[in-house]
Amino acid sequence: DAKTTQPTSMDCAEGRAANLPCNHSTISGNEYVYWYRQIHSQGPQYIIHGLKNNETNEMASLIITEDRKSSTLILPHATLRDTAVYYCIDLVFGNEKLTFGTGTRLTIIP
Amino acid sequence: EPEVTQTPSHQVTQMGQEVILRCVPISNHLYFYWYRQILGQKVEFLVSFYNNEISEKSEIFDDQFSVERPDGSNFTLKIRSTKLEDSAMYFCASSGYGLGQFFGPGTRLTVL
Repeated sequence: DAKTTQPTSMDCAEGRAANLPCNHSTISGNEYVYWYRQIHSQGPQYIIHGLKNNETNEMASLIITEDRKSSTLILPHATLRDTAVYYCIDLVFGNEKLTFGTGTRLTIIP
Repeated sequence: EPEVTQTPSHQVTQMGQEVILRCVPISNHLYFYWYRQILGQKVEFLVSFYNNEISEKSEIFDDQFSVERPDGSNFTLKIRSTKLEDSAMYFCASSGYGLGQFFGPGTRLTVL
């Protein structure tokens, strides 16, 4: 079973920043925070990962609290194509099996 | 941009038949995976493969399933005798060391 908890669903207006929270209540010191998403009927898509520091790439930014018990994925300028289910997953090693929880269904509103 | 490819996109088979699902991972990746997703359910891990052997498998991956990397580019999933409950979307993924996993578009398997 997934170890993280996320809100079931969220809406965001197109062009605004989408902020998706995740709780990592049982994360251990050597586990990374990974974010994936699944757009309807497509394969899951890797977004970003981090350990302690905030991270940014061309897709998103990842903010991890100092105690590492929560993280926030930020899509800075959401588009309709960002409508998807978003998953946060704790992994020691990126090559471990992925255990998908229920995720957050993000709907971008035109 | 490199991507994982899968063939066929849709496979229809009769119960009891063997099927082989094919994947071409990203060329410099070393870790390979199969996942499946039954309609309306979560994506589930089946098996991971590294250095020409299975590194981990789930309870779903029983004796009816096998994986192979027959050459330097392909990665296959074989189901020996398909059951109705094997109907699902099957996703192949690959990754480099310590990085995120990159998924293919999937093969929809329909068992009649």
